[in-house]
Amino acid sequence: EAGVTQFPSHSVIEKGQTVTLRCDPISGHDNLYWYRRVMGKEIKFLLHFVKESKQDESGMPNNRFLAERTGGTYSTLKVQPAELEDSGVYFCASSHLSVGELFFGEGSRLTVL
Amino acid sequence: QKEVEQNSGPLSVPEGAIASLNCTYSDRGSQSFFWYRQYSGKSPELIMFIYSNGDKEDGRFTAQLNKASQYVSLLIRDSQPSDSATYLCAVNSPGYSTLTFGKGTMLLVSP
Repeated sequence: EAGVTQFPSHSVIEKGQTVTLRCDPISGHDNLYWYRRVMGKEIKFLLHFVKESKQDESGMPNNRFLAERTGGTYSTLKVQPAELEDSGVYFCASSHLSVGELFFGEGSRLTVL
Repeated sequence: QKEVEQNSGPLSVPEGAIASLNCTYSDRGSQSFFWYRQYSGKSPELIMFIYSNGDKEDGRFTAQLNKASQYVSLLIRDSQPSDSATYLCAVNSPGYSTLTFGKGTMLLVSP
């Protein structure tokens, strides 16, 4: 069974540019989460989808971040325009039932110059 | 503001020893507790979860929970060099779909 896959693994962009991160969850997992780890800090929650609906987006930093999950399968997280403080590792995770028993992807490292 | 505190380490133990990783949390209403292991550059991987006070054992791993003290720990018996990784403590509170993570403790097991 394929795990959670994320693309790209690393993206380097300049301030003001746009980046779109993609996550493919484990097949059949209705719950999809985005988390972010900024250097030196803990992993922090961004948002939670149940199928195609946003269940909780309380962790989204501001309106420069837009997440979608069309059709309830893969998800994208767009940052537009990117700022320096957006640099970090963006993790996607999926689960079938329990909120804590998450399967994580390897993350997309974003570097904003 | 819910917080989860862990000693960043590194915690160094010799091969075969018991490694003890500790975590405290601020939200007294938390009910679900998780330990994830993360190798450098890899994804966090769930290794243990515990919901009730006391001990829960799974192979070489034992999770311990003390809700009165707001403390959760992970013991690794017969530590192996392959256990060298960062261990993340995560907590969930009822009504929330999120996990609150600690910064993680780096464990180094020397041969």
